[in-house]
Amino acid sequence: AQSVTQLDSQVPVFEEAPVELRCNYSSSVSVYLFWYVQYPNQGLQLLLKYLSGSTLVESINGFEAEFNKSQTSFHLRKPSVHISDTAEYFCAVSDNAGNMLTFGGGTRLMVKP
Amino acid sequence: DAGITQSPRYKITETGRQVTLMCHQTWSHSYMFWYRQDLGHGLRLIYYSAAADITDKGEVPDGYVVSRSKTENFPLTLESATRSQTSVYFCASSAQGSYNSPLHFGNGTRLTVT
Repeated sequence: AQSVTQLDSQVPVFEEAPVELRCNYSSSVSVYLFWYVQYPNQGLQLLLKYLSGSTLVESINGFEAEFNKSQTSFHLRKPSVHISDTAEYFCAVSDNAGNMLTFGGGTRLMVKP
Repeated sequence: DAGITQSPRYKITETGRQVTLMCHQTWSHSYMFWYRQDLGHGLRLIYYSAAADITDKGEVPDGYVVSRSKTENFPLTLESATRSQTSVYFCASSAQGSYNSPLHFGNGTRLTVT
């Protein structure tokens, strides 16, 4: 079985400041890792994913995440946040044999002017 | 327009009643999923389907029934609603399994059981 822990339920940050949203997972097999974002009153959208290769993956809107196998982490970072980044962010894991994503509890990012 | 739509957007029902949440996708994706979202629990998988007439249980299937007679539709039925089923329900689809193609989510159905 696999599980995902997002340690911070809420992260308040000022506009243009850097942010890190933490994600740790547990799994006995190789995993694929994802970050999804949910804007208010909407469904989730894929932000970025790690399947293989380079451990640093980037999204088109400036977010990046680094897969750290030894620490079983996949933290999400952005060097300078915007008001429009205010949303809930979900880390998820899937093993390579399954069809199911297991989601973390989510982190609400609140960007203040 | 192409996409995934859920209906109704909001639903209030009474304990013991049957209620069906609808999900329709226009991409002809093979895989469809039902998740519930609860504060502190994130999203939990209820049921999923890899193709028409193939369904499998997820993490929290008790009290729910699904069917997939057509590729584009994946209704979720609560046979006898309970207050613990008050939640936001999300339907999603993907072209392949969830690990190698992204999930596309609907906008959700907020269900309140009184």
